[in-house]
Amino acid sequence: QKEVEQDPGPLSVPEGAIVSLNCTYSNSAFQYFMWYRQYSRKGPELLMYTYSSGNKEDGRFTAQVDKSSKYISLFIRDSQPSDSATYLCAMSRYNFNKFYFGSGTKLNVKP
Amino acid sequence: GAGVSQTPSNKVTEKGKYVELRCDPISGHTALYWYRQSLGQGPEFLIYFQGTGAADDSGLPNDRFFAVRPEGSVSTLKIQRTERGDSAVYLCASSFNLGGINQPQHFGDGTRLSIL
Repeated sequence: QKEVEQDPGPLSVPEGAIVSLNCTYSNSAFQYFMWYRQYSRKGPELLMYTYSSGNKEDGRFTAQVDKSSKYISLFIRDSQPSDSATYLCAMSRYNFNKFYFGSGTKLNVKP
Repeated sequence: GAGVSQTPSNKVTEKGKYVELRCDPISGHTALYWYRQSLGQGPEFLIYFQGTGAADDSGLPNDRFFAVRPEGSVSTLKIQRTERGDSAVYLCASSFNLGGINQPQHFGDGTRLSIL
């Protein structure tokens, strides 16, 4: 079993929809949680990061961490075609070192 | 440059050859990381450097893989006796240290390695 599980999708939504992306994990020692966006043939781009449980909002993006359920989410409001990409969750035990990534969810936002 | 720079962007070589992949981190970033990403998968940790020393090399798959960062800036990932299974995108990331804690990593666009 992988330490971080993520539904690969693809997830297809109309422009303007609210998107929910999720990851589950098995290691309760994870404390740092990140979301990256990756366009085709590009490196991952940091979107948001949080420490421990709770919510964090940045513009159209909201990240949630529920450590009791070992479940993290990324919500995208008013989705745009430019949001079409693969979204990767990542987590680590100590600081932001040695990330464990999910396999990524491919999102397609249709105009 | 402003971001993490990796060269070459693409590398094609024959099985059994030696390859070197270079990473130039963001200026001032003290930590540097190497990951490997196979098609349809998330990046997989290989090694990370704090300054010149390898702080954690637990992800290197075997002794054919080696990485150096002699002056605490540029790093080179070296793969000996390449095998077809080594084909992947090799990603480099760097981060700065704030109050003794490394901050989230910023990635380059990777080197796409193909072993024929």
